Amino acid sequence: RKEVEQDPGPFNVPEGATVAFNCTYSNSASQSFFWYRQDCRKEPKLLMSVYSSGNEDGRFTAQLNRASQYISLLIRDSKLSDSATYLCVVNVNTGFQKLVFGTGTRLLVSP
Amino acid sequence: GAVVSQHPSWVICKSGTSVKIECRSLDFQATTMFWYRQFPKQSLMLMATSNEGSKATYEQGVEKDKFLINHASLTLSTLTVTSAHPEDSSFYICSASNSGRGTDTQYFGPGTRLTVL
Repeated sequence: RKEVEQDPGPFNVPEGATVAFNCTYSNSASQSFFWYRQDCRKEPKLLMSVYSSGNEDGRFTAQLNRASQYISLLIRDSKLSDSATYLCVVNVNTGFQKLVFGTGTRLLVSP
Repeated sequence: GAVVSQHPSWVICKSGTSVKIECRSLDFQATTMFWYRQFPKQSLMLMATSNEGSKATYEQGVEKDKFLINHASLTLSTLTVTSAHPEDSSFYICSASNSGRGTDTQYFGPGTRLTVL
């Protein structure tokens, strides 16, 4: 079983749509959780950290369910510029970080 | 925000040669730098963690004698791929962090695309 699993997609949605991505992780001792965005042939960029209480940043909402080892990302009012691959990332270490990346979910927003 | 640069952005080399990739934190001191590798359609995989002035810690399956990492200053880490082979062709990405611990943010460089002929 992969340490971090995501549906690879692609998710094809029209502009303005709401889309949700899910991610599961296998290591119950995982410490911290993130969503990154990666554009084609570019480096990943931090989108947001994910907290147990849930957090929102504009159109983006992230949720963490530690009991189910499940992380989600909700994007409201999709824009064309949201087209990218969204990476679920888990820090599995208590000392120095060890980030484990999912393979990503590809989102395509069309006009 | 914090900026991390990598050089070169892409390199093509012949099999058997060595390639050095530099990772620099431009506006902060990075006690810890991380090196990742990403093959096409796969996830980023951590290769090693390096702390300034110390030997790097390599992940299981990563040959330390093949991938030499030097972190001689708080703003520079280098990865040297020795005796490169076609299977080493990949996207190499570094990240830098103030302490590399806890919830410290890792700032990623733009990556270096290595093609070994």
